[in-house]
Amino acid sequence: DAGVTQSPTHLIKTRGQQVTLRCSPKSGHDTVSWYQQALGQGPQFIFQYYEEEERQRGNFPDRFSGHQFPNYSSELNVNALLLGDSALYLCASSSSGGVGDTQYFGPGTRLTVL
Amino acid sequence: QKEVEQNSGPLSVPEGAIASLNCTYSDRGSQSFFWYRQYSGKSPELIMFIYSNGDKEDGRFTAQLNKASQYVSLLIRDSQPSDSATYLCAVNTRGSTLGRLYFGRGTQLTVWP
Repeated sequence: DAGVTQSPTHLIKTRGQQVTLRCSPKSGHDTVSWYQQALGQGPQFIFQYYEEEERQRGNFPDRFSGHQFPNYSSELNVNALLLGDSALYLCASSSSGGVGDTQYFGPGTRLTVL
Repeated sequence: QKEVEQNSGPLSVPEGAIASLNCTYSDRGSQSFFWYRQYSGKSPELIMFIYSNGDKEDGRFTAQLNKASQYVSLLIRDSQPSDSATYLCAVNTRGSTLGRLYFGRGTQLTVWP
């Protein structure tokens, strides 16, 4: 049973560029949440997708956008990259019918903005 | 603003001792509570979840929840050097923010041989 997968593992971009990160949820899960984790901090919620729609959103600018596909996989897009966007980006999957919305994290994508 | 507070540590215990990690939260509407372990450079790994007041045990780990005091803790018995990691407390509030996890900054635990 495959867990949550993310790609790429690492990414280096320059300021102003755009980036797309990808996530495939755990088998049987239909909900994908994205988090940003800066060094030394806890993960911060970006947004959550369910039934191909953004269900809720955290306090992140519109430069951060996402998408969910019919197979439940998801993408996170960040436009006009800033140095402060350098972080570990985590995808978490859960089941809408699951108890307590338990979320399981993928390995993450380490984004460095130069 | 829903806040989750943890002692950042570092917490250092000898091998075989009990490690006690604490977490408080501000929103009384919080209903689900999670502990994740994160090794350096890796992603968070779910250890335990708890929904009801009281204790929940899983192997060497015990989660304790006191909703009246807005307090959740994690006890690690017989601590091993492999338990050395950052432990993240997360809470999930129902209602408009259903499904969104609020995390603390994490407590760094070191278990020395």
